[in-house]
Amino acid sequence: EPEVTQTPSHQVTQMGQEVILRCVPISNHLYFYWYRQILGQKVEFLVSFYNNEISEKSEIFDDQFSVERPDGSNFTLKIRSTKLEDSAMYFCASSEARSYEQYFGPGTRLTVT
Amino acid sequence: SQKIEQNSEALNIQEGKTATLTCNYTNYSPAYLQWYRQDPGRGPVFLLLIRENEKEKRKERLKVTFDTTLKQSLFHITASQPADSATYLCALGPYGGATNKLIFGTGTLLAVQP
Repeated sequence: EPEVTQTPSHQVTQMGQEVILRCVPISNHLYFYWYRQILGQKVEFLVSFYNNEISEKSEIFDDQFSVERPDGSNFTLKIRSTKLEDSAMYFCASSEARSYEQYFGPGTRLTVT
Repeated sequence: SQKIEQNSEALNIQEGKTATLTCNYTNYSPAYLQWYRQDPGRGPVFLLLIRENEKEKRKERLKVTFDTTLKQSLFHITASQPADSATYLCALGPYGGATNKLIFGTGTLLAVQP
């Protein structure tokens, strides 16, 4: 069964450093998303991406964040200058154009020290 | 902004019983409401989606209802098993338009005792 994959599973970085989180969505999906979940809190929407551009972003997704689909398979989230409060689990998700359930990856745990 | 409330307390039930989880929301109703399962340290896993014009949806031992007047969804697991123990998330969306953004509730932790 097709699944969303994410790398790395755990990333530790120092405050102020740049990180890139990587995702491979399900191959025939057209909509891509990033969500985050701070420990013990709810899953929060960050950004959605369709047709090679951002279609919607939340207030959390400020100028420090960017997304890219560098080729036909990968989807990346970059945080330019990490802060302590960026520590969270980051989930990538994808969905088909016409159905609306989203398929989530296993997540990348980001720890900013 | 949209507010979603799920049972904040953990739900403990005996194996074989029916578990009923509640999702209440404020403000405007979404076109779709979804339920996901989340195990510790893992990503949410899609379970069921129900549309605003559907009252009830079933899949195997799972049943979801959606009442846009009450602004409430109920999620039932019949003949529950210890393997059903997990956190269950209610998610509103999509609302329509160009995106499929989901707004999640905080989830209800279900523990099924053997």
